[in-house]
Amino acid sequence: QVQLVESGGGVVQPGTSLKLSCSASGFAFSRYSLHWVRQAPGKGLEWVAVMSYDGSGTYYADSVRGRFFVSRDNSKNTLYLQLNNLTNDDMALYYCVRVHRERKVLLPNFDYWGQGTLVTVSS
Amino acid sequence: QSALTQPPSASGFPGQSVTISCTGSSSDVGGYNYVSWYQQFPGRAPKLIIYEVNQRPSGVPGRFFGSKSGNTATLTVSALQAEDEADYFCNSYTGKSLLFGGGTKLTVL
Repeated sequence: QVQLVESGGGVVQPGTSLKLSCSASGFAFSRYSLHWVRQAPGKGLEWVAVMSYDGSGTYYADSVRGRFFVSRDNSKNTLYLQLNNLTNDDMALYYCVRVHRERKVLLPNFDYWGQGTLVTVSS
Repeated sequence: QSALTQPPSASGFPGQSVTISCTGSSSDVGGYNYVSWYQQFPGRAPKLIIYEVNQRPSGVPGRFFGSKSGNTATLTVSALQAEDEADYFCNSYTGKSLLFGGGTKLTVL
């Protein structure tokens, strides 16, 4: 079955960096685009970033562009998110999600979600 | 980019129908037929219930119906059940990104 398992979250100080990972299994990883979506405690969902299934393209929300960088290693079935210059506004549960159609990138159709990894920004 | 506009709350009695709106602009909701809806229970990851405006994934009850008119997408939940009490979020393609709505808490009275 499809599984997405995020890791790498933790407590960090403002201005520092963190790298999140999403390990995928149960599907042909290289044929699906994966996104990052975050949710601040008690708040709504916010789309963060995506890397296309073949690694050829990346897209970012305005709020993170230039600070966050998404990458993937299709040989390891893993998606990454590098978070730099973190602020209090970045504190959230970060979900890794799969687009439900093969070889599509910017579709808002997420059929599988991980359990999330929590990023806490605190001085 | 600002979030799509959803009412913070909605409610209805069991058996009734309730609608949740998601308003954007011609650059997102109105410009493309790529609007999805998600259902989220407390402490759980969201679940896709509608995609591409009015398509239901396998296993989602037919009581959930999606539609769109102009810049507003609408989720209709008919024959409301207690188990439908949850948060609902819309999501739209914008041409170069994706945008979520602020979310609506549905209460079954």
